Amino acid sequence: SQTIHQWPATLVQPVGSPLSLECTVEGTSNPNLYWYRQAAGRGLQLLFYSVGIGQISSEVPQNLSASRPQDRQFILSSKKLLLSDSGFYLCAWSVGRKAFFGQGTRLTVV
Amino acid sequence: DAKTTQPPSMDCAEGRAANLPCNHSTISGNEYVYWYRQIHSQGPQYIIHGLKNNETNEMASLIITEDRKSSTLILPHATLRDTAVYYCIPHGSGNTGKLIFGQGTTLQVKP
Repeated sequence: SQTIHQWPATLVQPVGSPLSLECTVEGTSNPNLYWYRQAAGRGLQLLFYSVGIGQISSEVPQNLSASRPQDRQFILSSKKLLLSDSGFYLCAWSVGRKAFFGQGTRLTVV
Repeated sequence: DAKTTQPPSMDCAEGRAANLPCNHSTISGNEYVYWYRQIHSQGPQYIIHGLKNNETNEMASLIITEDRKSSTLILPHATLRDTAVYYCIPHGSGNTGKLIFGQGTTLQVKP
């Protein structure tokens, strides 16, 4: 069966520090991969979307970037975090039309 | 992608059916209607999807109008654990296409 791993579960980072969140999927090949962010009390915002290795679509201009070095690995990065980057970050995968989400990373930038 | 309209919030008594409407009047012919829900502090969970026929699974039923401009998600016997934000998402066919969440409906199931 397919599983998605996302870590860490919680993270506290100072303003200006770098960020790297990793997501891996098992049990499937060539999935679509997604990064979402949910600010406190807000909806899910699609940040990045990938249909294959090295193919990344950015949905929202910001100081975040994403990479897909392997078929089932999706990485969210930032060189310098802002206070406004705080939120709940979710990775998801889909093959076909159903999407499955990780447990999320709650990032607090202080 | 088609736009959707959902009521921002609804209440339902425990044990009663919860009927969550969604308007998607601009849905295109190859877009399915997907429903997800997000329980507080968790990632969204797939519930059900359909194209034009009504669908039922172990979680819910989906009723799609004949003109496909609206649909209703039915939780037949709501429990307190069904309290969540419910999202209706038209999504294109095939293995491509972004999954965009709107504001959804916050369903509060009350004892």
